[in-house]
Amino acid sequence: QKEVEQNSGPLSVPEGAIASLNCTYSDRGSQSFFWYRQYSGKSPELIMSIYSNGDKEDGRFTAQLNKASQYVSLLIRDSQPSDSATYLCAVNIGQAGTALIFGKGTTLSVSS
Amino acid sequence: GAGVSQSPRYKVAKRGQDVALRCDPISGHVSLFWYQQALGQGPEFLTYFQNEAQLDKSGLPSDRFFAERPEGSVSTLKIQRTQQEDSAVYLCASTSAGGGQPQHFGDGTRLSIL
Repeated sequence: QKEVEQNSGPLSVPEGAIASLNCTYSDRGSQSFFWYRQYSGKSPELIMSIYSNGDKEDGRFTAQLNKASQYVSLLIRDSQPSDSATYLCAVNIGQAGTALIFGKGTTLSVSS
Repeated sequence: GAGVSQSPRYKVAKRGQDVALRCDPISGHVSLFWYQQALGQGPEFLTYFQNEAQLDKSGLPSDRFFAERPEGSVSTLKIQRTQQEDSAVYLCASTSAGGGQPQHFGDGTRLSIL
């Protein structure tokens, strides 16, 4: 059974702080990794994709991947109340047509 | 619009009724996926199309669930003889050809079975 594990939270951080979200996956064949943000009642919105070990930065977001440890994380710098949402980690083996395997999501709450 | 479009946004049906959910993917995207998202859970894969071919339906929970994409564009997910456990948000996603491409989701259809 391919699994993606996330802490459900809630993770609470004050405005301006760094939020750190973590994810582990079971399938060593996974090649593509994604972070989606989902506001309550809305659909998942892609915020980051990462395919190779190391860090990838996009604005206030940094995704980190360690394939040896089967671990992927998302850092949100200068957290804003508008970042309050559920963050879904998703992985797949990177072949055309393969489904994403999602974690249950981590709920982030940023207080002003 | 340029995004994935799903309709209806909300559907309420009585147990035992049949429902049909529609997905219009991003123009030019050959790959189309259906997911089911229960409350408090991540989306779970139902089925996959490449153009009009349904290449993977391993996630469909029962033979009451049926999906089609006859012309390789719009897709319909049909649920027959609905049950209360079918209540969920049904998400459609599309992606361009090639492995590992990000999937872009529609707004989903929230299905409630009474």
